[in-house]
Order: sequence, then structure tokens, then C-alpha cells
Amino acid sequence: KQEVTQIPAALSVPEGENLVLNCSFTDSAIYNLQWFRQDPGKGLTSLLLIQSSQREQTSGRLNASLDKSSGRSTLYIAASQPGDSATYLCAVCPGDSSYKLIFGSGTRLLVRP
Amino acid sequence: GAGVSQSPRYKVAKRGQDVALRCDPISGHVSLFWYQQALGQGPEFLTYFQNEAQLDKSGLPSDRFFAERPEGSVSTLKIQRTQQEDSAVYLCASSPFTGANVLTFGAGSRLTVL
Repeated sequence: KQEVTQIPAALSVPEGENLVLNCSFTDSAIYNLQWFRQDPGKGLTSLLLIQSSQREQTSGRLNASLDKSSGRSTLYIAASQPGDSATYLCAVCPGDSSYKLIFGSGTRLLVRP
Repeated sequence: GAGVSQSPRYKVAKRGQDVALRCDPISGHVSLFWYQQALGQGPEFLTYFQNEAQLDKSGLPSDRFFAERPEGSVSTLKIQRTQQEDSAVYLCASSPFTGANVLTFGAGSRLTVL
């Protein structure tokens, strides 16, 4: 059974720092891996989607990598800003299902001005 | 509309009451998903529709949960005889494609069962 773990559960950094959020999954047979952002009281916003055949994706200050063999993904945020404060969720789409996302519990990020 | 709309945003129910949660997906979106998110946890898959067909309902916790999308657009998640453990945020998402690609989530419906 696929399980997704995110470390750390919470992170507080000063503005301007580069930071890395970690995601690990137990079964390397995946269809894709996605990173989402969730602001309090709101739904999820899709940040990056990495297909199974890809190694990384970039969008602005965000870069996500995927290493299927080791069951790991990292989300790199460059030059963090207070507006980046949110919960970041990693989700895996299992290889035997192209539609079901299995989420980690998230990393709660606070960027201090 | 421009996004996925869910109603009500907040619902308080007494234990044993029935509730209905509505999701208006983005017009023309083929796929529709329901997820349940407990406090401090990531969302958990409940069910998946492709147009009006419910292709997977394996995540529904019990037979008290029922979802439908009769005309392939609006969807309703119904919970009968609510229990305290049903308290959660229920998230709806839609996609113009089949599968979990390019998802747009709604803001969710927060259900509190007393």
C-alpha cells in the first residue's frame, strides 16, 4: 500500500532563505507526483506536476525533483517570501491508478518578515 | 464560473442528521473528485467521476456516504446519519482531462457533527 510521508511537519524560516521540503513514498511504481499549496480555510492550489518519466519541474522560484528509485521528491523554494507561508502537500498518483491521489500530511511553512 | 464552487462552506449537524454537500465544477470539466480532509492531515480520496459515471467509490468510508453526478456537471455528496467522526473538510476537485492531471480544487465544505 502506497504511503506518503512529508518531513518536516513544520518549518519556520526568515525571509530570503532558500529552503527544501521533503516527500517520500513507499512504492516507486507511480503515475505522477504533484505538489500543492494550501492556505488556511482554502482549497489546494496546484504548484508542480512531475510525470513518472520526468526528473524535475520548475515554475518561477519553485523547483521540484523526483527520484523514483529512492522514493523521494523535494520541493525547493528559492528566496522565500512571507507570501510563501502556507501548508505544502505532496501527492502521489499510484501506477495502477491514473486518477487517485495519495497525499502526505503536509509541511506547514512560516516565512518570517 | 471561473473556479470550483462548493456549498455550503460551513455546515453544523447534529449526530444522526443527513447532510448534502454540493460541488459546481468548472464548466466542461470531465473529471470530478471528492476528498475528505481531517484536521492536520492530508486529503484522502473518496470517489471519482468521469462525466456522469462514478468510476471509483472505493474511498467512501461506509454505506452512509453516497455521491452522484447525474448530468455530468454538478455533484452532490450525501452523508446519512452523520457521526462525529464524519467531521472534516470535504474537498471537490475537477479536471478537463481524465485522471488526476491539472486539478482545480474548491475551497471545501467544513462539516462539524455535534
